[in-house]
Amino acid sequence: DVKVTQSSRYLVKRTGEKVFLECVQDMDHENMFWYRQDPGLGLRLIYFSYDVKMKEKGDIPEGYSVSREKKERFSLILESASTNQTSMYLCASRKQGGEDTQYFGPGTRLTVL
Amino acid sequence: GDSVTQMEGPVTLSEEAFLTINCTYTATGYPSLFWYVQYPGEGLQLLLKATKADDKGSNKGFEATYRKETTSFHLEKGSVQVSDSAVYFCALSDRWGGSEKLVFGKGTKLTVNP
Repeated sequence: DVKVTQSSRYLVKRTGEKVFLECVQDMDHENMFWYRQDPGLGLRLIYFSYDVKMKEKGDIPEGYSVSREKKERFSLILESASTNQTSMYLCASRKQGGEDTQYFGPGTRLTVL
Repeated sequence: GDSVTQMEGPVTLSEEAFLTINCTYTATGYPSLFWYVQYPGEGLQLLLKATKADDKGSNKGFEATYRKETTSFHLEKGSVQVSDSAVYFCALSDRWGGSEKLVFGKGTKLTVNP
C-alpha cells in the first residue's frame, strides 16, 4: 500500500515564525503536491513537484515555498507565518506517467496565533 | 480553465436511505474523474475513479458513472450507513489538457443518522 506521512497532525505557531511541514512517501513516486483545505473553499493547490529539485507554483503559492531535495520528501515552508495561514495542510503523491490517482497523507492542522 | 461543481451540503440522511451527490465538470481535454472521501480528522482517501466516458467506478457500495454527454460524475449509494458520514470530494485530473493537478469540488458533508 502507498503510504504518505506528514510530520505533525497538529501544530501551533506564532505570527512571524518560520514553519516547516514535512511530507514523506514510501512508494518512489515522482510527483508530490501540497494543498490547503479550508471550509467552503475545498482543496487548493499550493505547490507541486515533478521530481527531485523541481517545483511548480500552484493556485495559491503566495507566502509559501517548498523544498524537494530527496525523492521521498517534500517540505512546505512558511517563511513568516501569518494568521490567514491557519488551515489544514494536505500532502499527496502520484506516480509519474502512471495512473492519475493521488495518494494523500493524514493532514497537518496548523494554527497560527 | 478546468472546474468541478458539486452539490452544496450538508446532506443529512437516515440509515438505509438512498444517496446521490451530484458532480459536474468542465475540462478542456479528456479528464479522469475521482471521488475522494474524508472521514472526520483524517486525510483524503480515494473512493472510486473512472478514466474514460461510460466507465463506472465502484467501491464499498458506492458507484459513479462517467457521463461525457452531460459532463457529470454523480455519486450514488443504495443504502447508506452511519459509518458513511464524511465529506465527499469530486475531482478531475486533466493530463491531456496540459495540467498535472487535481481540481476539486468544494466538498459535500454527509451525515447519516441511525
